Amino acid sequence: GENVGLHLPTLSVQEGDNSIINCAYSNSASDYFIWYKQESGKGPQFIIDIRSNMDKRQGQRVTVLLNKTVKHLSLQIAATQPGDSAVYFCAEGLTFGKGTLLTVNP
Amino acid sequence: KAGVTQTPRYLIKTRGQQVTLSCSPISGHRSVSWYQQTPGQGLQFLFEYFSETQRNKGNFPGRFSGRQFSNSRSEMNVSTLELGDSALYLCASSLAGWAVAYNEQFFGPGTRLTVL
Repeated sequence: GENVGLHLPTLSVQEGDNSIINCAYSNSASDYFIWYKQESGKGPQFIIDIRSNMDKRQGQRVTVLLNKTVKHLSLQIAATQPGDSAVYFCAEGLTFGKGTLLTVNP
Repeated sequence: KAGVTQTPRYLIKTRGQQVTLSCSPISGHRSVSWYQQTPGQGLQFLFEYFSETQRNKGNFPGRFSGRQFSNSRSEMNVSTLELGDSALYLCASSLAGWAVAYNEQFFGPGTRLTVL
């Protein structure tokens, strides 16, 4: 499959655990943030987004938290499953982070 | 509903050649964005087209160009290929464009371009 990033930060969790993936952004004026999931050999898949006027947004098993004070974004995945194994990256407008490789151990 | 399709999936070219990649968006989507993904730089925005007009452009040289047709299909062209252009080129479609909140972008599988 595609190796979308060399020397990516990695997170390894056990199936059923909760996962937290972090992202720092640089532009304090950024208004819109998105989390994507990219599985090997596939294009990115939209997970969840959030506007800067919100601190938290929840989806199905995922929650995005935005801390504008420290310019930090996090993605929480509840009850992580093997199918969640992928590279996750955040986007600040049209600027994308390098990603975090999440590996879920059965 | 068919997803975003990109052709070809794999391409090998030599330096100095040019290449044209094609993207067919999801039916009804009017926005198509193009991205370059490399291990070193990650995912970088190239440009966005909406209703046949380029609406946003990333920081890439003029060798990278694109266009959109009346049926929303889009092509991107890279002229005078360089080794550093080797990458996965992704396109994404959406109803209203990347900047519209809660307006999901759907990515295609990408075209893997190798420049020798």
